[in-house]
Amino acid sequence: NAGVTQTPKFQVLKTGQSMTLQCAQDMNHEYMSWYRQDPGMGLRLIHYSVGAGITDQGEVPNGYNVSRSTTEDFPLRLLSAAPSQTSVYFCASSQGTRGGTQYFGPGTRLLVL
Amino acid sequence: KQEVTQIPAALSVPEGENLVLNCSFTDSAIYNLQWFRQDPGKGLTSLLLIQSSQREQTSGRLNASLDKSSGRSTLYIAASQPGDSATYLCAVFGLGGSNYKLTFGKGTLLTVNP
Repeated sequence: NAGVTQTPKFQVLKTGQSMTLQCAQDMNHEYMSWYRQDPGMGLRLIHYSVGAGITDQGEVPNGYNVSRSTTEDFPLRLLSAAPSQTSVYFCASSQGTRGGTQYFGPGTRLLVL
Repeated sequence: KQEVTQIPAALSVPEGENLVLNCSFTDSAIYNLQWFRQDPGKGLTSLLLIQSSQREQTSGRLNASLDKSSGRSTLYIAASQPGDSATYLCAVFGLGGSNYKLTFGKGTLLTVNP
């Protein structure tokens, strides 16, 4: 199993541009989630999904959009990038919807100029 | 709103020492608590998961305890090694008002000196 994969590993954007961060898992996990990690702020939940077609907001959802059309994929869309979205983004997945062992991807470093 | 606090923020110890990392949370309505390790520039790796009905979990030199009623958990690392140097994070998976959500502490940066 590849586990949780994220692409790209690093991206530079200009303010106002849009992009999609990709996340995929091959473990047939129901629960998937996106976090951002910032110095001094820790990891904060952006959006999560408990299954295909079901998504919900986390702590910091503004400026981000998600969809879950398949069990495997959970892309995160930045609609109009802002410097405040410069961060490291992590995707995670787990079996079930009641908080099983979380498997994290390697992260995407995003710089918005 | 669930809040998770980790103390200390940083810890430096000599190799071979036993150590304890602390985690506290404000809302005891949780499904479980997990301890993670994060190496610089890497993703998180789950070390131990304790269900709300359990008191402790062990894996090798690691032992994690959970006291849900008081909102506390500890991670005990025995006979520390330089390879244990990393940031350790705890996170609680909430139910009720914070359903389906994992809330993280800010982590403890551990340095084990040879």
